[in-house]
Amino acid sequence: GESVGLHLPTLSVQEGDNSIINCAYSNSASDYFIWYKQESGKGPQFIIDIRSNMDKRQGQRVTVLLNKTVKHLSLQIAATQPGDSAVYFCAENSGGYQKVTFGIGTKLQVIP
Amino acid sequence: GAGVSQSPSNKVTEKGKDVELRCDPISGHTALYWYRQSLGQGLEFLIYFQGNSAPDKSGLPSDRFSAERTGGSVSTLTIQRTQQEDSAVYLCASSFLGGAKEKLFFGSGTQLSVL
Repeated sequence: GESVGLHLPTLSVQEGDNSIINCAYSNSASDYFIWYKQESGKGPQFIIDIRSNMDKRQGQRVTVLLNKTVKHLSLQIAATQPGDSAVYFCAENSGGYQKVTFGIGTKLQVIP
Repeated sequence: GAGVSQSPSNKVTEKGKDVELRCDPISGHTALYWYRQSLGQGLEFLIYFQGNSAPDKSGLPSDRFSAERTGGSVSTLTIQRTQQEDSAVYLCASSFLGGAKEKLFFGSGTQLSVL
């Protein structure tokens, strides 16, 4: 079936630098995208979402970019902090009552 | 409670035994998901309940796995005749509108270890 995939399984970033986590999705019918953060020993937590009628959305220190032409999603974290160390998942949904589909995840390691 | 609650938080069992994992979703949430996460891996979809509709069981790995949701609230995931490869964290999530552009709220999971 359709799935969401990530380009990089592990990303190491120096503290204070910006991080970019990428995600490719394959379901062209997807119209809602979400990023989740999973810290060790915890369940994933919502970070930010974006609908397909947008190409950019900003939160606090995070920005999500959506390129529907190439079916690509990215999460940008500004001024990365040690507390940002976690696994990040992108997820997509095609609307209606279809289930949410998760990508494989990217582990972000912040180097102090 | 304020969030999704899962119990037990840890379960150790012997190969061949049956186990039951429980999920209490956020009150009023119509959709409930079960995922499995092996160490260092992503989220493997297992089953999805949405209101009174027939559940989407397409992710269940074998007929040893089953789940039910009673009264549209609490859900139980049952694994019969457990195998060592069943060892993983089992995560439950709930949402309000059932896949229609809303976010999932996850519990902290049940760590299952099959010896």
